[in-house]
Amino acid sequence: GDSVTQMEGPVTLSEEAFLTINCTYTATGYPSLFWYVQYPGEGLQLLLKATKADDKGSNKGFEATYRKETTSFHLEKGSVQVSDSAVYFCAPGGSGNTPLVFGKGTRLSVIA
Amino acid sequence: ETGVTQSPTHLIKTRGQQVTLRCSSQSGHNTVSWYQQALGQGPQFIFQYYREEENGRGNFPPRFSGLQFPNYSSELNVNALELDDSALYLCASRVLAGVGDTQYFGPGTRLTVL
Repeated sequence: GDSVTQMEGPVTLSEEAFLTINCTYTATGYPSLFWYVQYPGEGLQLLLKATKADDKGSNKGFEATYRKETTSFHLEKGSVQVSDSAVYFCAPGGSGNTPLVFGKGTRLSVIA
Repeated sequence: ETGVTQSPTHLIKTRGQQVTLRCSSQSGHNTVSWYQQALGQGPQFIFQYYREEENGRGNFPPRFSGLQFPNYSSELNVNALELDDSALYLCASRVLAGVGDTQYFGPGTRLTVL
């Protein structure tokens, strides 16, 4: 079945640092790719998505590009803020009857 | 705000009991999925309902069951609770339309089994 591998956290960065969270996946077919964010005590919020190769999803300064050849969807942000502290989940799937497949997530802590 | 609500927020049960969790989807969303998120883990897919019928199931035993109603509400029922059922239960709704459907998650119900 489908699976996803994310870099293990926690990741601790200073404010305004550059962020990269690596994500690789295995999937049958041609999945859509999603990044969700979970703030403490809350559910998941969609951060960005991409539905085909070379698509770039972006939102709130975060970006990720669908790389079919390397089966990757790395999340980047040029300058993180304390308010970005959360757990980030990469998830392939979610189209039709295919459920979202989540890894363990990556916890990000940004310190002032 | 995703427009998806869940109740109750927290729940404490004892082993062997039964529990019903509820979800209210966005109006017009014909598909609801339920996920279980253990502490420190990512969400795991339980099952999905489309137009009131189950059309997908993850690796969960039959004591996990569900219902979806025409008014965009749904339920997750768990019988014979076990300690390992302690988790955050998330529902997610969407319009099942094709590639790239976005699933909108509720805030979750935290279930503790003692």
